[in-house]
Amino acid sequence: EVQLLESGGGLVQPGGSLRLSCAASGFTFSSYAMSWVRQAPGKGLEWVSAISGSGGSTYYADSVKGRFTISRDNSKNTLYLQMNSLRAEDTAVYYCAKVILLRAAAGTGVDYWGQGTLVTVSS
Amino acid sequence: QSALTQPASVSGSPGQSITISCTGTSSDVGGYNYVSWYQQHPGKAPKLMIYEVSNRPSGVSNRFSGSKSGNTASLTISGLQAEDEADYYCSSYTSSSTLGVFGGGTKLTVL
Repeated sequence: EVQLLESGGGLVQPGGSLRLSCAASGFTFSSYAMSWVRQAPGKGLEWVSAISGSGGSTYYADSVKGRFTISRDNSKNTLYLQMNSLRAEDTAVYYCAKVILLRAAAGTGVDYWGQGTLVTVSS
Repeated sequence: QSALTQPASVSGSPGQSITISCTGTSSDVGGYNYVSWYQQHPGKAPKLMIYEVSNRPSGVSNRFSGSKSGNTASLTISGLQAEDEADYYCSSYTSSSTLGVFGGGTKLTVL
């Protein structure tokens, strides 16, 4: 059974930093690209970032480029999102998600989602 | 990248069928067969309902079906049930971003 478990969310002041983690199990982690998707309170879904199975390729939404860094440790089956220079508009539930197709890009779709972790940026 | 266009809300009575549209461009919906649909109940994570335009994951009811014509994809739910009441999001691969693009979401109300 595929499981994704996010952690690391919380309250942070504007300009601060936070690192999210996503522990994966139930599939061959290194064979699949992974994504972070966020949802601001009362709003829709937004792709944030994605990373290839090997970790060699990374992708970012324009809204977070230069501030967020996605990475993965395939030996630990764990995905990360380092968030720096946080803004109020980054307040959202952050989900990690597994790409459906083997060795495919994130945009082709995701099949499993974590339960989400809430990030609140406020003074 | 611009979001795909979905109606803000749709409604139907139990037993009826409804269709939710998702309109994009030839750079996303119309150009690739990578349209997915997600169901989200309040306070819950999204759940994949349809992938690659019309494929249903194991465990998803066959009351859910997907299709595409030109730049518009559609999700049809037949035999509406109370538990179908949720938000639905479409997503597509796009040539302008490896991340893909989501629709704005549609709130389905079962009357």
